[in-house]
Amino acid sequence: QVQLQESGPGLVRPSETLSLTCTVSGGSIRGYYWTWIRQPPGKGLEWIGYIYYSGSTNYNPSLESRVTISVDTSKNQFSLRLRSVTAADTAVYYCARWEEGVNYYYGMDVWGQGTTVIVSS
Amino acid sequence: EIVLTQSPATLSLSPGERATLSCRASHSVSGYLAWYQQKPGQAPRLLIYDASNRATGIPARFSGSGSGTDFTLTISSLEPEDFAVYYCQQRSSWLTFGGGTKVEIK
Repeated sequence: QVQLQESGPGLVRPSETLSLTCTVSGGSIRGYYWTWIRQPPGKGLEWIGYIYYSGSTNYNPSLESRVTISVDTSKNQFSLRLRSVTAADTAVYYCARWEEGVNYYYGMDVWGQGTTVIVSS
Repeated sequence: EIVLTQSPATLSLSPGERATLSCRASHSVSGYLAWYQQKPGQAPRLLIYDASNRATGIPARFSGSGSGTDFTLTISSLEPEDFAVYYCQQRSSWLTFGGGTKVEIK
């Protein structure tokens, strides 16, 4: 059974860079899309960006200037870097995966448990 | 950007009642729509993919329908564990989530 685990600092200072890693266990990173999603306290879900196992990426236009997502297939991990953070970036950050192809989208079927990141001095 | 609008924001129902949740897209997403359930302190759980297909292990009381811009999630008879927040999400153009519908106990 595939499991995802987010890791990284729970506290980041304003203007610094938030860095998180998602480790995939119980299965391969190959063949899937991998994404970061966040949820500010008491609010809904916001897509940050995604990466295909081959390395191609796509980012939420509202965050694109500050986001980088990368993948390390040898370690079965993918990572998020969010630069120049402010209090508005305080949220629970989730990693998740999905599979898609021509004429089908299977949805995000595996999620990490989420990690809380607080931006504060 | 495709905007997903969910309605109502809150649905107050009793166990055993039928729940009907709506998700409307600003542009056609074809059938590339999924539904998720989220309970407090938990990650979202996939319920429905490709608008109408139940994910593995999801009870038959959950069903999805629609295509293009109008979609519906129906819970035929609410169980106590179904009271939660539900999100729709599209994959036709990038990714977006709807704002969510909270199903609460009346």
